[in-house]
Amino acid sequence: KNQVEQSPQSLIILEGKNCTLQCNYTVSPFSNLRWYKQDTGRGPVSLTIMTFSENTKSNGRYTATLDADTKQSSLHITASQLSDSASYICVVTRDMRFGAGTRLTVKP
Amino acid sequence: DAEITQSPRHKITETGRQVTLACHQTWNHNNMFWYRQDLGHGLRLIHYSYGVQDTNKGEVSDGYSVSRSNTEDLPLTLESAASSQTSVYFCASSEMQGGEQFFGPGTRLTVL
Repeated sequence: KNQVEQSPQSLIILEGKNCTLQCNYTVSPFSNLRWYKQDTGRGPVSLTIMTFSENTKSNGRYTATLDADTKQSSLHITASQLSDSASYICVVTRDMRFGAGTRLTVKP
Repeated sequence: DAEITQSPRHKITETGRQVTLACHQTWNHNNMFWYRQDLGHGLRLIHYSYGVQDTNKGEVSDGYSVSRSNTEDLPLTLESAASSQTSVYFCASSEMQGGEQFFGPGTRLTVL
């Protein structure tokens, strides 16, 4: 059973709009959680990492949140751009458990 | 610039054949990983290595083997390819255990 669940599976938004992607995990004990961006046909690239003690971390238009009590993380994308079209994957690094990803499509 | 490369990028083979996928990194990272990526499953860990002569099984290691004779390379071998091993394979490396992993461009393998 996959211990990292992401939702939604896919999402289509218009350019300029905001969106939030969800990641729920059951891996325990928890070390840290990382979000990757994967463009079509390429390997994933790290966006941000959340440690157990962090609640929020921003990287430009990307903001990740973590609630260690409920074992939930989210990735918020502000003012989306066409180049944000990609799959976004969360991973709990202790066991290298990857979620199946959310496929985001940004349309003009 | 340091990088991680995979070869070949595309491979078609027949059931039962032995196949080796190459992974080469120039960061001098001790930690290297092999994953497969299938629709609906996300990346799944096949094997990993924390240094020369060290290899460990991951979540989906059956039918695969690796060897680590130097820091730069971690080849992945399919001893007898099966159609269920048709997938996209990614190699990655990291400086620290649990640290950011840098991924290669992937190898698309088709087993007919």
